[in-house]
Amino acid sequence: AQTVTQSQPEMSVQEAETVTLSCTYDTSESDYYLFWYKQPPSRQMILVIRQEAYKQQNATENRFSVNFQKAAKSFSLKISDSQLGDAAMYFCASRTSYDKVIFGPGTSLSVIP
Amino acid sequence: DAGVTQSPTHLIKTRGQQVTLRCSPKSGHDTVSWYQQALGQGPQFIFQYYEEEERQRGNFPDRFSGHQFPNYSSELNVNALLLGDSALYLCASSSGTDYSGYTFGSGTRLTVV
Repeated sequence: AQTVTQSQPEMSVQEAETVTLSCTYDTSESDYYLFWYKQPPSRQMILVIRQEAYKQQNATENRFSVNFQKAAKSFSLKISDSQLGDAAMYFCASRTSYDKVIFGPGTSLSVIP
Repeated sequence: DAGVTQSPTHLIKTRGQQVTLRCSPKSGHDTVSWYQQALGQGPQFIFQYYEEEERQRGNFPDRFSGHQFPNYSSELNVNALLLGDSALYLCASSSGTDYSGYTFGSGTRLTVV
C-alpha cells in the first residue's frame, strides 16, 4: 500500500525567512511522481511543485524547491523568502500507477509578519 | 481557461438522505477523481473515472457511487447519509498523457445534520 507521511502538523515562519516542510512516503513502484499542493482558506488545492522519481535533479519553482532523497523516500519542500500569501495547508502527495494520487495529512504553515 | 467546476458549493442534508455532487473537468482532461476531505485532514481517495468506467476505488462503502458522462463530467452519489459523511468533497481532473498533476475544483462542502 502506498502511504505519505507528514510529521509536522503545524509550522510557522517569519516573513522573508526560509522554512522547510518534511514528507516521507512509501511505495513499491519504481516509476512515480511526487507533488506538493497548497490549500489556502479558499479551499482551492493548488499545485506548488512536482518531482519525477526518475530525475535526480531537485525540482525548483521560483521560491519553492524540493530536496528529493529517493533512497530515504524523503521529499521535503523549502520555501524561501516567505510571504504572507504562503500561509496555507501544505499537502505532500504521491502519484501511483493509473494516475491515483495519495495525500499526506498536511502541514499548516503560518507566516508571521 | 476553464478549470474544474463543482456544484453546488455548499449543501446541507439530513441523515439518511441521498445527495448528488457534480463536477466538470478542465478542458482537455478525460479523467476525474473524487476525494473526501474531513476538517483538518488530507484528502482521501474515493474513486476515479476514466472512459465512463470506475477505474480505481478507495476504501469507501458502496453507499458512495459515481458516474462519468461522455463529455467527461462526473457525478458523485452518496446514499443513506451519515453524520460522518460531513466533509469537503473535492473533484480533480487530469489527462492520461499529462503528468503535471491534478487540477482541483473548489469543492462542495456537505453538512449532514
